[in-house]
Amino acid sequence: EIVLTQSPGTLSLSPGERATLSCRASQSVNSKFFAWYQQRPGQAPRLLIHGSTNRANGIPDRFSGSGSGTDFTLTISRLEPEDFAVYYCQQYDAFPPFTFGPGTRVDIK
Amino acid sequence: QMQLQESGPGLVKPSETLSLTCTVSGASVRSHYWTWIRQPPGRRLEWIGYNSYSGTSDYWPSLKSRVTISIDTSTNQFSLKLNSVTAADTAIYYCARGSTGAFDYWSQGTLVTVSS
Repeated sequence: EIVLTQSPGTLSLSPGERATLSCRASQSVNSKFFAWYQQRPGQAPRLLIHGSTNRANGIPDRFSGSGSGTDFTLTISRLEPEDFAVYYCQQYDAFPPFTFGPGTRVDIK
Repeated sequence: QMQLQESGPGLVKPSETLSLTCTVSGASVRSHYWTWIRQPPGRRLEWIGYNSYSGTSDYWPSLKSRVTISIDTSTNQFSLKLNSVTAADTAIYYCARGSTGAFDYWSQGTLVTVSS
């Protein structure tokens, strides 16, 4: 089972700032099979990025993904008020099971 | 616009069977992979398993002996059955559509508590 670790656990930033979220895998993941999700309070997770770099339908271009091997990054170029949420990474390279990271909370500073 | 809505009891007794149904609107269950994911309190998301109309299915090894996901094309629904539940199965349960392994549509989630 591939274990995903996310850092930092919490990121405190102001609107307009840049957010950089990291996810590390316990073994190499094919970048074609890596995703990021956003979960706002009381809502279901929403797919942001699939294939490590591809934005899902309707996702603004301030969200971008990068990475390969064991290290992946989600960048939010300029935080909007609605971006303060929890972000999860997920791998779908080696399964079962598909696995998720523990999440990074992006808080308003 | 595609939507998923889960339904089922919010309270299940230990050792009994947890049963949830997910109603899909705006898409057919005859394509894609239909998935259940859960989130225990204070813990990360856990993938439970998936099934597809073609019969391809897979489950989390830790739950495989207790779980069944089935698809009903006549009602455009899919369901989850988890046997012999314990308090460790208390979680928010989501149904979702799988597309090449990422999950592009999710339900709102329902809290299922296992307690006597």
